[in-house]
Amino acid sequence: DIQMTQSPSTLSASLGDRVTITCRASQRISSWLAWYQQKPGKAPKLLIYKASSLESGVPSRFSGSGSGTEFTLTITSLQPDDFATYYCQQYNSMRTFGQGTKVE
Amino acid sequence: QVQLQESGPGLVKPSQTLSLTCTVSGGSISSGSSYWSWIRQSAGKGLEWIGRINTSGNTNYNLSLRSRVTISVDTSKNQFSLKLSSVTATDTAVYYCSRDGFGGYFDYWGQGALVTVSS
Repeated sequence: DIQMTQSPSTLSASLGDRVTITCRASQRISSWLAWYQQKPGKAPKLLIYKASSLESGVPSRFSGSGSGTEFTLTITSLQPDDFATYYCQQYNSMRTFGQGTKVE
Repeated sequence: QVQLQESGPGLVKPSQTLSLTCTVSGGSISSGSSYWSWIRQSAGKGLEWIGRINTSGNTNYNLSLRSRVTISVDTSKNQFSLKLSSVTATDTAVYYCSRDGFGGYFDYWGQGALVTVSS
């Protein structure tokens, strides 16, 4: 199984901050990585797929980068609606999620 | 706009079988070459992929759950279903159904169904 490790687990940030979340895969997954945002009591929402492609309707302040084993989700200017938990997910082999990063 | 809705018992006794159904609306479950997945999330925990199926009946399961999981599809009803046998308290979770689209990421999700395992 491919393991996904996110860091940090919790991130304290303020409005307007640039936020960066890292996701590492236990083996190379090319660019087969997605990012999701989840708010309490809600299903996850797709933000980024294929490591850097922005899902339709997602604000451009969200961006993704990386390939191989190391990936990054960046929020350029944190907005009130962005306080949530973020998950990475690999789809190179079956499906595995990272453990999540809570932005508070 | 594709919509998914989970349904099934919210309470299951230990050692019994958990059964959930996902109804797809706003499009045919058979359109394209999508797979359809089940994902769960325990309280305060992260997301765990359970398995997936396509409309040809091809399935893939999480190795850690494979011995207890069966996913099936009913294209006439635009539904797919999950059965998880021999449940214990550790199977208590919110269960989501989702479209595992062309790329392998999950672009449409149900709202989630809380299933509690308790006597």
